[in-house]
Amino acid sequence: ELKVEQNPLFLSMQEGKNYTIYCNYSTTSDRLYWYRQDPGKSLESLFVLLSNGAVKQEGRLMASLDTKARLSTLHITAAVHDLSATYFCAVDLNSGYALNFGKGTSLLVTP
Amino acid sequence: DVKVTQSSRYLVKRTGEKVFLECVQDMDHENMFWYRQDPGLGLRLIYFSYDVKMKEKGDIPEGYSVSREKKERFSLILESASTNQTSMYLCASSSRYSGTSGGTNYNEQFFGPGTRLTVL
Repeated sequence: ELKVEQNPLFLSMQEGKNYTIYCNYSTTSDRLYWYRQDPGKSLESLFVLLSNGAVKQEGRLMASLDTKARLSTLHITAAVHDLSATYFCAVDLNSGYALNFGKGTSLLVTP
Repeated sequence: DVKVTQSSRYLVKRTGEKVFLECVQDMDHENMFWYRQDPGLGLRLIYFSYDVKMKEKGDIPEGYSVSREKKERFSLILESASTNQTSMYLCASSSRYSGTSGGTNYNEQFFGPGTRLTVL
C-alpha cells in the first residue's frame, strides 16, 4: 500500500521568511503533483514533477523531486499572506488512473 | 481551460435518503474520479472511471455507487445516506493522455468546486 506523508501538517510562518514542506512516499514513482487549496475552495494544480531531479518554480514557490529518496519538497521563499492555503502532494503509482494524496499542509502566513 | 462542474455546492439530506451528486467536465477527458475530503484524513478515493460505463473501486467504496453513461458526466450515488457520509465531495477528471515529458505519460487531475454534503 502506498503511503504519502507530508510534514509539517500545520505551519505558521511570518511574512518574509523561508520554509520547506516535505512529502515522502513509500513506493517507487517518478510522478508527483502539488496542489493548492484555499479555504472553502477546490484543489488547484501547482506543479507536475515527472523525473528524478525535476525542479519547477512559480513565483515564491519551488518544487523538487528526488525519486531515489522518494521525497519531494515545496520551498517557500519570502512568504506573503497570499500564500496562506493548504498544500497537498499527490503521487501517481504509474497506473495512470488514481492519485494518492498526502494529508495536506495547512500554511498560515502572518504579518 | 479545463472546467469541471458539480451539481451543488451545498446539500443537506436526511438519513436514509438516496443522494445523487453529479459531475460534468467539458474537456473530453477519459478519466473521472470521486474523492471525499475530511479534516485530518486528506483526500480519499471513492470510485473512478476510465471510460463510459466502466468503473473501479477506490479506497472507500462502501455505501457508494457510481454511474457513467456519458463521457462527460460521472455521478456518485449514496443509496441510503448516513451521518458518517457527511463530508466534502470532490470530483476530478484527467486525460489518459495528459501529456508526455521525456517519454513519461502523466495524469494531472483537474478538480471541481466540491459539494459539501451534510446528512442529518
